[in-house]
Amino acid sequence: TQLLEQSPQFLSIQEGENLTVYCNSSSVFSSLQWYRQEPGEGPVLLVTVVTGGEVKKLKRLTFQFGDARKDSSLHITAAQPGDTGLYLCAGIPSGTYKYIFGTGTRLKVLA
Amino acid sequence: SAVISQKPSRDICQRGTSLTIQCQVDSQVTMMFWYRQQPRQSLTLIATANQGSEATYESGFVIDKFPISRPNLTFSTLTVSNMSPEDSSIYLCSVGAGTGYGYTFGSGTRLTVV
Repeated sequence: TQLLEQSPQFLSIQEGENLTVYCNSSSVFSSLQWYRQEPGEGPVLLVTVVTGGEVKKLKRLTFQFGDARKDSSLHITAAQPGDTGLYLCAGIPSGTYKYIFGTGTRLKVLA
Repeated sequence: SAVISQKPSRDICQRGTSLTIQCQVDSQVTMMFWYRQQPRQSLTLIATANQGSEATYESGFVIDKFPISRPNLTFSTLTVSNMSPEDSSIYLCSVGAGTGYGYTFGSGTRLTVV
């Protein structure tokens, strides 16, 4: 079974703190996407990373794709309550055609 | 990117009944995807719906339980049949945002079976 393991599973932090979410697999991915899902909504695409070692920034969010394209990370600087939600990584493992989602990280930022 | 309207947004249903979920896309798309998100879990693909052909179901999901219609390139329905409390989940439809560029999702249907 192809898996995308995310850590931590849950995270509760104070406003202003920094955090990093990890997405790991034993499989290689040609690209990975990160989504955020807020309560009562579907996941919303945040970013796609394609090249090994690539770093993309979206305001206070920094996304990195591992050199071997087997892992990715999401770093949030100075978290705000509006960052609260479920963060999901997703992609198609090389050699398959199936789009899979990570196990998810549920973030709560307290004011 | 496409805009997807999904309804109902939520429903509470009696066990043994069926619920049909509708998804309308604002542009023509070849494939639409149906996902299930069980409480506190990630997304699992139920099936892929192509216009003009039978839907393709993932392992663990069968047509008798989750019949899908795809009458045209902008619309699809998923029916959850003979429901039990274990079917309580969020059901989501989605379309591709372009090869290798992820998916756009509807806002989901939160189903509670009592």
